[in-house]
Amino acid sequence: QVQLVQSGAEVKKPGASVTVSCKASGYTFTSYAMHWVRQAPGQRLEWMGWINTGNGNTKFSQKFQGRVTITRDTSATTAYMELTSLRFEDTAIYYCARGYRGNTGALDIWGQGAMVAVSP
Amino acid sequence: QSALTQPASVSGSPGQSITISCTGSSNDVGGYNYVSWYQQHPGKVPKLMIYDVTDRPSGVSNRFSGSKSGNTASLTISGLLAEDEADYYCSSYAGSSSSLVFGGGTKLTVL
Repeated sequence: QVQLVQSGAEVKKPGASVTVSCKASGYTFTSYAMHWVRQAPGQRLEWMGWINTGNGNTKFSQKFQGRVTITRDTSATTAYMELTSLRFEDTAIYYCARGYRGNTGALDIWGQGAMVAVSP
Repeated sequence: QSALTQPASVSGSPGQSITISCTGSSNDVGGYNYVSWYQQHPGKVPKLMIYDVTDRPSGVSNRFSGSKSGNTASLTISGLLAEDEADYYCSSYAGSSSSLVFGGGTKLTVL
């Protein structure tokens, strides 16, 4: 079945970096965009960016510009999101989500989420 | 890109209909027919309920419908069921920045 499986929970110190992976299966990986969305505890969904899995082009929210990198490995059908210079307020669940309509939204398949906690 | 504006909460009784609004600008909701709605139960992953303003993914009940007028999109749930109690988020493509923007979320309580 179509699914996205993410890497596990992480605990990081302020200033460190974290990489979350997202393994896709059950569909043609390069035919759909991959978006990254985060949700801090008790807060709203927040879009971070997306990658065109076919050509590797990326686009990020201005809020995360300079701190986030999204890559993909087509042979492994896996996307990656790296967030650097972590702050306490980066504590959140990080989701990958398939873009049914490319970069225009319609996130139809979601990963299970990866909890990232930033703690001293 | 500012978050889209949603009411913090709405409520309704079983069997009734409710509507959740989502207000943006001509740069996002008003400018493109790329509004989506997501349902999120506590501790669960968001689920796509509506995309491209009015379209329902396969498997989503036809009790859920979407519409748009100007800079405001709406999600209507008819024949409310207890299981509809959840948080609902709208999102829109924002063409000027080629990005997505989410709303603040609306908590639906089924009385």
